[in-house]
Amino acid sequence: EAGVAQSPRYKIIEKRQSVAFWCNPISGHATLYWYQQILGQGPKLLIQFQNNGVVDDSQLPKDRFSAERLKGVDSTLKIQPAKLEDSAVYLCASSLDPRGAHGYTFGSGTRLTVV
Amino acid sequence: DQQVKQNSPSLSVQEGRISILNCDYTNSMFDYFLWYKKYPAEGPTFLISISSIKDKNEDGRFTVFLNKSAKHLSLHIVPSQPGDSAVYFCAATTGNQFYFGTGTSLTVIP
Repeated sequence: EAGVAQSPRYKIIEKRQSVAFWCNPISGHATLYWYQQILGQGPKLLIQFQNNGVVDDSQLPKDRFSAERLKGVDSTLKIQPAKLEDSAVYLCASSLDPRGAHGYTFGSGTRLTVV
Repeated sequence: DQQVKQNSPSLSVQEGRISILNCDYTNSMFDYFLWYKKYPAEGPTFLISISSIKDKNEDGRFTVFLNKSAKHLSLHIVPSQPGDSAVYFCAATTGNQFYFGTGTSLTVIP
């Protein structure tokens, strides 16, 4: 079974620039998540999709972050404009179970450095 | 507000001994608890979970214990192996809300 694919693996941008991350979940997984993991902290949920609908985006900084999941498969997460504090690993995950109670499958993440 | 806490940032254990990783939580509404393992430069990997109606779940060398009255969760790894060296995250969920602890870095010394 192919895993969750994310790209790029690494990205360095200057503050106020824009950046986009891409995620391809496991085939058949209706639920997709984007997490932000700042160094030394646990992953923080940014947004959860069920198919192409948003289930939870309460912790997404909507003034600068946006995400979409067209056709209920691939997803993109965008930051515009980036701030220094956005430096983190952005993890995409997917699951069969919308509650995630039996575990998610995570991608390898995109490490973003904002300078 | 940190609803899931892992108070030990790191742990070192001799190979072959038991590793015990601890996790505390505050929300009595959590209905599933999970442990994830993370190697550097990789995403977290699901390890084992337990429903709130159980007090123990075992999978090979990994056993998770849940003490609901104490709001405490632990992961036991027996015997520990050098390949177990990683960061372990405790997580808890209720409905669509999912909370992670800050992780414990386990080092298994050969």
